[in-house]
Amino acid sequence: GAGVSQTPSNKVTEKGKYVELRCDPISGHTALYWYRQSLGQGPEFLIYFQGTGAADDSGLPNDRFFAVRPEGSVSTLKIQRTERGDSAVYLCASSPGGGLADTQYFGPGTRLTVL
Amino acid sequence: AQSVTQLDSQVPVFEEAPVELRCNYSSSVSVYLFWYVQYPNQGLQLLLKYLSGSTLVKGINGFEAEFNKSQTSFHLRKPSVHISDTAEYFCAVSKIIQGAQKLVFGQGTRLTINP
Repeated sequence: GAGVSQTPSNKVTEKGKYVELRCDPISGHTALYWYRQSLGQGPEFLIYFQGTGAADDSGLPNDRFFAVRPEGSVSTLKIQRTERGDSAVYLCASSPGGGLADTQYFGPGTRLTVL
Repeated sequence: AQSVTQLDSQVPVFEEAPVELRCNYSSSVSVYLFWYVQYPNQGLQLLLKYLSGSTLVKGINGFEAEFNKSQTSFHLRKPSVHISDTAEYFCAVSKIIQGAQKLVFGQGTRLTINP
């Protein structure tokens, strides 16, 4: 079956602009995660959705970052007033239920470059 | 705090040689441990995971890992590597934080296979 997909694969923007990154999880997965991977680092947790609600957004770095999942499927990560430090690969993952032993399935990521 | 340390940032080996990628974790409670692989320009793919039971876990592509509670380690091994194993490898620990499963990743080990 189809895996997790993310669009766009690459996004180049200018400092101060607004961007939206989209994630399509595996069908039927109730848990959805966003991670950020900076160059040479492992992924870092940003936000977790269980269904439509953000169960944990403690990893969002500041209030310029926001994410939604209005129908419990597709999610959008929104970044306002982008800064050069936001440049990274943004990864989305989904899992069947969000349990401790569940496997998270990752998408290919969106590479964001802020000039 | 939960943390994961991957002791080697880069590991070069010759084709058909054995390899071990080291991972240590810190935790005072039971843990679930994962190894993910990231091929160039692709998302993370699960290699194997330890939940409970046998401490030797076998994964895909001939990889295996051994959970050692006394040494808080979860090293990844392969007896004979192939050029196609060139990738970034991430060790991760799963923990419930504020009711949500989070994966905490190490910084990654870049495995380079030389012919």
